[in-house]
Amino acid sequence: KQEVTQIPAALSVPEGENLVLNCSFTDSAIYNLQWFRQDPGKGLTSLLLIQSSQREQTSGRLNASLDKSSGRSTLYIAASQPGDSATYLCAVRPYYGQNFVFGPGTRLSVLP
Amino acid sequence: EAQVTQNPRYLITVTGKKLTVTCSQNMNHEYMSWYRQDPGLGLRQIYYSMNVEVTDKGDVPEGYKVSRKEKRNFPLILESPSPNQTSLYFCASSLSSGDSNQPQHFGDGTRLSIL
Repeated sequence: KQEVTQIPAALSVPEGENLVLNCSFTDSAIYNLQWFRQDPGKGLTSLLLIQSSQREQTSGRLNASLDKSSGRSTLYIAASQPGDSATYLCAVRPYYGQNFVFGPGTRLSVLP
Repeated sequence: EAQVTQNPRYLITVTGKKLTVTCSQNMNHEYMSWYRQDPGLGLRQIYYSMNVEVTDKGDVPEGYKVSRKEKRNFPLILESPSPNQTSLYFCASSLSSGDSNQPQHFGDGTRLSIL
């Protein structure tokens, strides 16, 4: 059964720092992996989706990488801002099923 | 504006009183699903639907029902709610289950409290 973990559970950084959030999954057979952010009291906003055949995706200050063989993805945030403060979730879509499996999230605080 | 709309956003009710949480999307998406989010457990899928009249169980379907009579709507039904169903619920949709490389779009969530 696919399991997804995220490290660290929480992270606090000063504004301007570059940072990396980690996501690990146990079964390397996936269709895709998606990163989301969740603001308190809000739903999830899709940030980046990486197809199983891709190694990375970029959007603005965000870059997500995927290494299927090692079961890992990273989300790189450049020049962090207080507005980046949120919980970041990764989710994988298994190869032979429709169930999306989510990690527990990393709670990020960017201090001004 | 493309969106997934859930109602109600907040509900406090009592054990055993049937309730329905509605979900509607305006993007003509085929795939819709329901999740619950609990502290320490993350998001877990309850049910999903690959198209009209096609539904299937997710990881935690016990105590829930769904229906997909129309493409845009995917209501979540709790026939006899119990306190362990107190949670934050999210509805999500994506363009096509056949093309799995489509991002999911989420509603803003429904916070249910079952007393």
